[in-house]
Amino acid sequence: QKEVEQDPGPLSVPEGAIVSLNCTYSNSAFQYFMWYRQYSRKGPELLMYTYSSGNKEDGRFTAQVDKSSKYISLFIRDSQPSDSATYLCAMSGGIEGGADGLTFGKGTHLIIQP
Amino acid sequence: DSGVTQTPKHLITATGQRVTLRCSPRSGDLSVYWYQQSLDQGLQFLIQYYNGEERAKGNILERFSAQQFPDLHSELNLSSLELGDSALYFCASSSDGTPYNEQFFGPGTRLTVL
Repeated sequence: QKEVEQDPGPLSVPEGAIVSLNCTYSNSAFQYFMWYRQYSRKGPELLMYTYSSGNKEDGRFTAQVDKSSKYISLFIRDSQPSDSATYLCAMSGGIEGGADGLTFGKGTHLIIQP
Repeated sequence: DSGVTQTPKHLITATGQRVTLRCSPRSGDLSVYWYQQSLDQGLQFLIQYYNGEERAKGNILERFSAQQFPDLHSELNLSSLELGDSALYFCASSSDGTPYNEQFFGPGTRLTVL
């Protein structure tokens, strides 16, 4: 079992729809949870960053973390064609002292149809 | 533009060869991370440096090595290359190398081993 599981998609939705992206993980020591967006052949770009459990909202994006279920979500409201990209969940904090790289899901390919 | 630069953009080489990938972090960032992205494994953490010292190791092969120089740029050396080493290699930087601060990713180097 991989440390972080993420459905690769593709997930295709019409413009304006609410998009829900999810990851599950197995390492209960993870404390920091992130969502990155990656356009084709580009570097990942941080969208949302959450510490421990709870919700965080930034514009059209909402991130949720449920540590008891080891489950994180990203919601995109009023989705736009420009949101079409691969969305990667990432997490860290599994090593004492904080010296740690990110553990990524394999990414969900999202397509917003105009 | 994240402020992280990587050279070269593309590299094509043969099996058994050795290559060096270069990364310059954002101005002021002391920590550099290296990641490998392949279709089957996704984005995987290789190694982290902080202010010239190795800080954390991930799934880095023994054939791979890295260093961070006094001017804080970093190089990733890949030797005895195999077909399976073909991937996108990303460098990321952060201010202090802790999970509390965002990692900014560079545009990547695409390595093709023939």
